[in-house]
Amino acid sequence: QVELQESGPGLVKPSGTLSLTCAVSGGSISSSDWWSWIRQPPGKGLEWIGEIYLRGGTNYNPSLRSRVTISADKSKNQFSLQLSSLTAADTAIYYCARNHGFNLDYWGQGTLVTVSS
Amino acid sequence: EIVLTQSPGTLSLSPGERATLSCRTSQSVSGNYLAWYQQKPGQAPRLLIYDASSRAPGIPDRFSGSASGTDFTLTISRLEPEDFAVYYCQQFDMSPPLYTFGQGTKLEIK
Repeated sequence: QVELQESGPGLVKPSGTLSLTCAVSGGSISSSDWWSWIRQPPGKGLEWIGEIYLRGGTNYNPSLRSRVTISADKSKNQFSLQLSSLTAADTAIYYCARNHGFNLDYWGQGTLVTVSS
Repeated sequence: EIVLTQSPGTLSLSPGERATLSCRTSQSVSGNYLAWYQQKPGQAPRLLIYDASSRAPGIPDRFSGSASGTDFTLTISRLEPEDFAVYYCQQFDMSPPLYTFGQGTKLEIK
């Protein structure tokens, strides 16, 4: 059973950069070619941030593309998210997930990131 | 960009009743690549249905999905107490690659 666990700072300053890592356990990150990040502002709906293709390449939500970088480290069985130029609107629960076809079958428990000075 | 519109926003039913949740897409979804997720408070979403009508592993057979053109339906045949949650539909657009979610339907106990 694949398990995902997000980690990173829970509080980030406005204009700063958010950096999160998703550790994959119970299986190899190579169990899927694609892995995603999704976020959910408190009390609101889900927004896909982007995905990484382990053989090379990324796709990002056009609304966030200029601020997002997703990378992976297969040797550490993990992938990461960086989101820059933060504002209060980026306050959300951030989830990592495994892509399965054209959906997301395994999710981390999520980590709340608050953007505040 | 394909827009997903879920209805109703809130559905109030009793355990044992049948629930019908709707997701309408603004354009045709290639390959019927539409999924349904269940989210309970404080938890991550859980995949229920993928490719419009295939149940994810471990999902009870009271959950079913169907499609008709741009209209997709999640049906829960007999509600159990643990089914009361928020449900989201999701589709994947290939050009450009983009996952989009509906705004959610809250299924609450009547």
